[in-house]
Amino acid sequence: AQTVTQSQPEMSVQEAETVTLSCTYDTSESNYYLFWYKQPPSRQMILVIRQEAYKQQNATENRFSVNFQKAAKSFSLKISDSQLGDTAMYFCASRRGNTPLVFGKGTRLSVIA
Amino acid sequence: NAGVTQTPKFQVLKTGQSMTLQCAQDMNHEYMSWYRQDPGMGLRLIHYSVGAGITDQGEVPNGYNVSRSTTEDFPLRLLSAAPSQTSVYFCASSRTSGGPYNEQFFGPGTRLTVL
Repeated sequence: AQTVTQSQPEMSVQEAETVTLSCTYDTSESNYYLFWYKQPPSRQMILVIRQEAYKQQNATENRFSVNFQKAAKSFSLKISDSQLGDTAMYFCASRRGNTPLVFGKGTRLSVIA
Repeated sequence: NAGVTQTPKFQVLKTGQSMTLQCAQDMNHEYMSWYRQDPGMGLRLIHYSVGAGITDQGEVPNGYNVSRSTTEDFPLRLLSAAPSQTSVYFCASSRTSGGPYNEQFFGPGTRLTVL
């Protein structure tokens, strides 16, 4: 079974600074997919970034990037130039084949002006 | 496209009552799933479906039933509500062709309180 662990229940960052959210996972599969979702106070789940495990290059989406360390089973999310609108819960998730997404417990990020 | 819609947005039930949470999508997605979100627990899978007529259990299926008679709809039934089912419920959908890299689209959620 896949498991996803987010070890930081809460984090805060000053506006315009950079913050990194941690995620580790456990899987016996050789190919799988990793995701970060954002959940703002509106409760809507929004895909932030995704990574295919067989691709060594780290995914980037504007101010969001990941540090994917396959051997260490680590998939951290870096948010650069943090904005007040980045305040949200962030969930790391993994998926293999056509099985369902498995989520971590989330990290609550607060961006402080 | 309306995307994934869920009704109702809020619901209060008494212990022992039954109800159905509705989920519909207009993107012709084969894959649909139900999650519940509780504080400090993340999202946990209740049931999922890979196509009409096919359903399977997730991590926390007890007390819930599902069926998938059409591609568009995936209702979640609470048979006899219990206070432990107080939660926020999310429905999600995605294509299966193209594999697990496909983005899952989530509905806006239903907040359910069982007294």
